[in-house]
Amino acid sequence: DGGITQSPKYLFRKEGQNVTLSCEQNLNHDAMYWYRQDPGQGLRLIYYSQIVNDFQKGDIAEGYSVSREKKESFPLTVTSAQKNPTAFYLCASRGGGAHEAFFGQGTRLTVV
Amino acid sequence: AQKVTQAQTEISVVEKEDVTLDCVYETRDTTYYLFWYKQPPSGELVFLIRRNSFDEQNEISGRYSWNFQKSTSSFNFTITASQVVDSAVYFCALSEAGTGTASKLTFGTGTRLQVTL
Repeated sequence: DGGITQSPKYLFRKEGQNVTLSCEQNLNHDAMYWYRQDPGQGLRLIYYSQIVNDFQKGDIAEGYSVSREKKESFPLTVTSAQKNPTAFYLCASRGGGAHEAFFGQGTRLTVV
Repeated sequence: AQKVTQAQTEISVVEKEDVTLDCVYETRDTTYYLFWYKQPPSGELVFLIRRNSFDEQNEISGRYSWNFQKSTSSFNFTITASQVVDSAVYFCALSEAGTGTASKLTFGTGTRLQVTL
């Protein structure tokens, strides 16, 4: 089935460690997005990408990094520079600006 | 810069009541797209509707209806005869047309709807 797969669903890491969240899509979409969701704050855009090897910072990019080496993959690394990384992370893709985004099931990251 | 405001943080209604979720947006573009999503407790966002800036017709889909008014920069969502299964967080989102690079998709802070028996 076509869709977006995020893994893992739950992730626990020690403070100070980098961690990479996976996002894969088989919808042949050009654009991919990463959002962070905290209680009461909605979805905040971290990074987004239109094409391979190109991406732009969103509203809260500090402490995060991404890569787009393949069209179907857009991994997000939460670095030790991110001061408060515990959150729910959502990945999305879409076929263009006029189209709706499709979301993965999310990764809940807990840093202890 | 684009912005979406959902002023209602949480709404509680009794089943069968009608409820309207407000969405106000800001954009400098003349071409843009508006969306509504539902987020049930499972966490995955479910797409409900898309509206482009050239189409101000209201839309009805079953118990759901949407009122788009460019004059007030609003795109409100009404659920008629609410049901317990409608309980979720609802997000409004805005995307400018974009040229070449990925268009930014901005979400509001969401409105949590609680429908009780």
